[in-house]
Amino acid sequence: GQQLNQSPQSMFIQEGEDVSMNCTSSSIFNTWLWYKQDPGEGPVLLIALYKAGELTSNGRLTAQFGTTRKDSFLNISASIPSDVGIYFCAGRFQGAQKLVFGQGTRLTINP
Amino acid sequence: KAGVTQTPRYLIKTRGQQVTLSCSPISGHRSVSWYQQTPGQGLQFLFEYFSETQRNKGNFPGRFSGRQFSNSRSEMNVSTLELGDSALYLCASNGQGYSGANVLTFGAGSRLTVL
Repeated sequence: GQQLNQSPQSMFIQEGEDVSMNCTSSSIFNTWLWYKQDPGEGPVLLIALYKAGELTSNGRLTAQFGTTRKDSFLNISASIPSDVGIYFCAGRFQGAQKLVFGQGTRLTINP
Repeated sequence: KAGVTQTPRYLIKTRGQQVTLSCSPISGHRSVSWYQQTPGQGLQFLFEYFSETQRNKGNFPGRFSGRQFSNSRSEMNVSTLELGDSALYLCASNGQGYSGANVLTFGAGSRLTVL
């Protein structure tokens, strides 16, 4: 099925480092969402973006809706052990309920 | 508000059997979507129900079906199970119509293993 290109696929970082990940698509999305999934759980919404160029923060997390509406990025500052998990981007077309997901970025933090 | 509740959390079936999974959305949410998550294909959209009607359907065979009840609870059914149906099945509810709330809230999922 249709998917977004999310990169990197995995990251191994030291605690305290900043993290950046992004998603790109050949399609224009009306909404970009970022989710985090812990083992054995469903994805949990981190940030929702609704307008091109929008920059939104949630604590140490910052995400932006690309101006072309075909990309989005997520930054995590000063990573801590509980940031470990898989991060997914998701896009929604205008008027649709279905989300198209990226393949995920697995974040591992060395203490 | 209680979150999205999915049952059962884990189940094991054998090839050829059928399975029914249940989802109770957040109170007041009328839209329920189902996704399949596998290591190879990631999160794939199955279908979406709103007010007991299927509004959208993903690219899955007819063995995958669902329904929604008048209280917004939803079930999905997979018949004639295949090994490749082993996956985490996620249900999500949508607070459609509420300002800033047109996002999906996921349940913890039902992990199906087909032997």
